Amino acid sequence: DIHMTQSPSSLSASVGDRVTITCRASQGISDSLAWYQQTPGKAPKLLLYAASSLESGVPSRFSGSGSGTDYTVTITSLQPEDFATYYCQQYYSLPYTFGQGTKLEIK
Amino acid sequence: EVQLVQSGAEVKKPGESLSISCQASGYTFTNYYISWVRQLPGKGLEWMGRIDPRDSYTHYSPSFRGHVTISIAKSISTAYLQWNFLRTSDTAMYYCVRHSVLEKLPADYWGQGAPVTVSS
Repeated sequence: DIHMTQSPSSLSASVGDRVTITCRASQGISDSLAWYQQTPGKAPKLLLYAASSLESGVPSRFSGSGSGTDYTVTITSLQPEDFATYYCQQYYSLPYTFGQGTKLEIK
Repeated sequence: EVQLVQSGAEVKKPGESLSISCQASGYTFTNYYISWVRQLPGKGLEWMGRIDPRDSYTHYSPSFRGHVTISIAKSISTAYLQWNFLRTSDTAMYYCVRHSVLEKLPADYWGQGAPVTVSS
């Protein structure tokens, strides 16, 4: 199985800040990497796929980058609705695996 | 409109059996795998397995193989997640998700989730 490691596990930031979350795969995943956002009590929502493609309807303040085993998601100018938990997931090979999550909290 | 509508909350005892469902609508059912994802209370997401609606072929994560069964009823565009012997450690939220069989893409639609509580 491909192991996904996210960092940091938690992050405090203020509205308007720029934050970056990192995801590292235990082997190359050829950009088959998605980012999801989950708010309390809700199902996760797809933000980015193919490492850097923005899902329809997702604000452009979200961006993704990376290649090989190392990927990032960056949120510029944090908005109040962005405080949530973020997960990466590789869909390169079965079983698809998630990172452990990054909780983004208001400072 | 694409929708994955899951069955409701369940409360069961250890050792009991359970089947939860996920009814799809708004798209061609056979064009998308259905996967199930577990979220333990206060924890992260775990991919459990998926089923191909074209031929009912399943693939399970090693962590769940042998403990759950994924099936479908193609005629009613519904997928199921089944346990024959529940454990207290199965207490979790369960989501069904869809992802394309035609392109290598991640899950784009999620069900609303089905909370399962297993307690004596």
